[in-house]
Amino acid sequence: DGGITQSPKYLFRKEGQNVTLSCEQNLNHDAMYWYRQDPGQGLRLIYYSQIVNDFQKGDIAEGYSVSREKKESFPLTVTSAQKNPTAFYLCASRPPQGRAEAFFGQGTRLTVV
Amino acid sequence: AQSVAQPEDQVNVAEGNPLTVKCTYSVSGNPYLFWYVQYPNRGLQFLLKYITGDNLVKGSYGFEAEFNKSQTSFHLKKPSALVSDSALYFCAVRDRSDSNYQLIWGAGTKLIIKP
Repeated sequence: DGGITQSPKYLFRKEGQNVTLSCEQNLNHDAMYWYRQDPGQGLRLIYYSQIVNDFQKGDIAEGYSVSREKKESFPLTVTSAQKNPTAFYLCASRPPQGRAEAFFGQGTRLTVV
Repeated sequence: AQSVAQPEDQVNVAEGNPLTVKCTYSVSGNPYLFWYVQYPNRGLQFLLKYITGDNLVKGSYGFEAEFNKSQTSFHLKKPSALVSDSALYFCAVRDRSDSNYQLIWGAGTKLIIKP
């Protein structure tokens, strides 16, 4: 089945540690996105990538980093510089047409302990 | 500034009654409009979209939405609610002139369907 796979589903991190969230897609989409979701708020864009080896900061990129070495993969690293990392993280991908909807993974819930 | 408003944090509807989840937007030009649904601790699922043409769009699970250009609205509707429709609903808008194809999201509306 085609889709987007995020792993792990739940992640616990100690303060001061970096952690990497995985996002893999087999939809052959060029564009991929990382969003952060907090209770009572809409989705906020962290980073996005329109093509391999290129990515752009979103609205809340501070404390996060990404890479896009392969079309299928867009991992997100939450660094120790992110002051409030506890949140639900969503990865998405999209076909190239502007009218196309985005496809989402099942999310990773990150908790800092 | 471009924005999407979902004016109700929560909507309560009795099972079998019609439901409406409201969305208004402020985007230049003619936007693409989307509705997504999210069940607890899950990713977002696409419901429907408006691209062009007929203002009434039909989507998954019996949902439909009406595009109203003069009121800049895109309200989600269903004639008869099911308990299983209880979830978080997001409206999103994309400016057709945005070469980055970014989505602008509403804050979400929690829909509760009571038996």
